[in-house]
Amino acid sequence: AQKVTQAQTEISVVEKEDVTLDCVYETRDTTYYLFWYKQPPSGELVFLIRRNSFDEQNEISGRYSWNFQKSTSSFNFTITASQVVDSAVYFCALSEVDYEGAQKLVFGQGTRLTINP
Amino acid sequence: EPEVTQTPSHQVTQMGQEVILRCVPISNHLYFYWYRQILGQKVEFLVSFYNNEISEKSEIFDDQFSVERPDGSNFTLKIRSTKLEDSAMYFCASSEGYYQQFFGPGTRLTVL
Repeated sequence: AQKVTQAQTEISVVEKEDVTLDCVYETRDTTYYLFWYKQPPSGELVFLIRRNSFDEQNEISGRYSWNFQKSTSSFNFTITASQVVDSAVYFCALSEVDYEGAQKLVFGQGTRLTINP
Repeated sequence: EPEVTQTPSHQVTQMGQEVILRCVPISNHLYFYWYRQILGQKVEFLVSFYNNEISEKSEIFDDQFSVERPDGSNFTLKIRSTKLEDSAMYFCASSEGYYQQFFGPGTRLTVL
């Protein structure tokens, strides 16, 4: 069965610090997709990034960057120069794809990130 | 930008009552999903729906749950006889396939 582990339950940093959220996954599939979602206090799920298992290139988007390492089954997320608005719960997720193309997302437990002014 | 919508935003019901949660997926999407998030916990998959039938369902999705696409735009989740433990946020999502799932804002269900 597929599994996603986010070992950090809560992280608290001071504004402008860099912070890395860890994500480790387990899967037997050779083709899979990894995601990060942000859940602000308002409760919606905001898509941040999707990676497929064949693309190990790291990605940077503004202050956000992602490090995908297949060898360690990890897909870590770094926020550089954190801001108070980054405070949220962050979920890492892994998708199984069935024969019809439907994707079942398996989520980690989430990491609650608090950025203090 | 197209978005998934859900109604109501908050539903309060008595234990044993039936509830229907409604979702309008993005119009050209083919795959539809329901997820559940009990307060403070992770998001859990309930069911996927494709080509007018259930594609996969989780262990949570027992006989008390059903899904339907009654017309070309709505996608509903019905809970026949609600229990206290059904209290959660329910998210609808849709996708074109091997791509990002777009989530709705959620319906908070409170069972008293």
